[in-house]
Amino acid sequence: QKEVEQDPGPLSVPEGAIVSLNCTYSNSAFQYFMWYRQYSRKGPELLMYTYSSGNKEDGRFTAQVDKSSKYISLFIRDSQPSDSATYLCATILISNFGNEKLTFGTGTRLTIIP
Amino acid sequence: DVKVTQSSRYLVKRTGEKVFLECVQDMDHENMFWYRQDPGLGLRLIYFSYDVKMKEKGDIPEGYSVSREKKERFSLILESASTNQTSMYLCASSYRGQGGEQYFGPGTRLTVT
Repeated sequence: QKEVEQDPGPLSVPEGAIVSLNCTYSNSAFQYFMWYRQYSRKGPELLMYTYSSGNKEDGRFTAQVDKSSKYISLFIRDSQPSDSATYLCATILISNFGNEKLTFGTGTRLTIIP
Repeated sequence: DVKVTQSSRYLVKRTGEKVFLECVQDMDHENMFWYRQDPGLGLRLIYFSYDVKMKEKGDIPEGYSVSREKKERFSLILESASTNQTSMYLCASSYRGQGGEQYFGPGTRLTVT
């Protein structure tokens, strides 16, 4: 079983729709949760970063974490064609030496249709 | 503006060749990482370094080695390239204590024939 599971899609939605992207994780020791966005032929860039259970909002984006069910979500409101990208969820485990190692989901490829 | 650069965008090598991938960051980050990205498998950590001359194995270190002689530079070495090492290679860096906030380079698409 992978430590972080993510539906690879692809997912296509019309412009203006609400998008829901989801991941589950297996290790309850994971402490922080991130969403990265990766445009075609580019490296990933950090989109959202959260620690506690609950919601964190940034403009049209909302990250949600439910630690009891080990479930993380990203919601995109009023989706735009510029949101078309691959979205990767990630979690972090701080090792005994304080070294930080991210574990990524496989990514969901999202296309917003104008 | 933060910047992570990688030495090549595209690279074609032959089986058995020694391959060097270079990564440079200008943010004075302590942590540096090498990943490979493959369809259906996502990003997988090969090696990371949390300080000069320090390195730790990631999830898939076999067939790779790394070198970090200066804080800003982290090199990935394929000692004897094989076709199953054809992939997209991504370098990233972060401040110590902020490992979740990694800055990525544009990637190197390596093809081994």
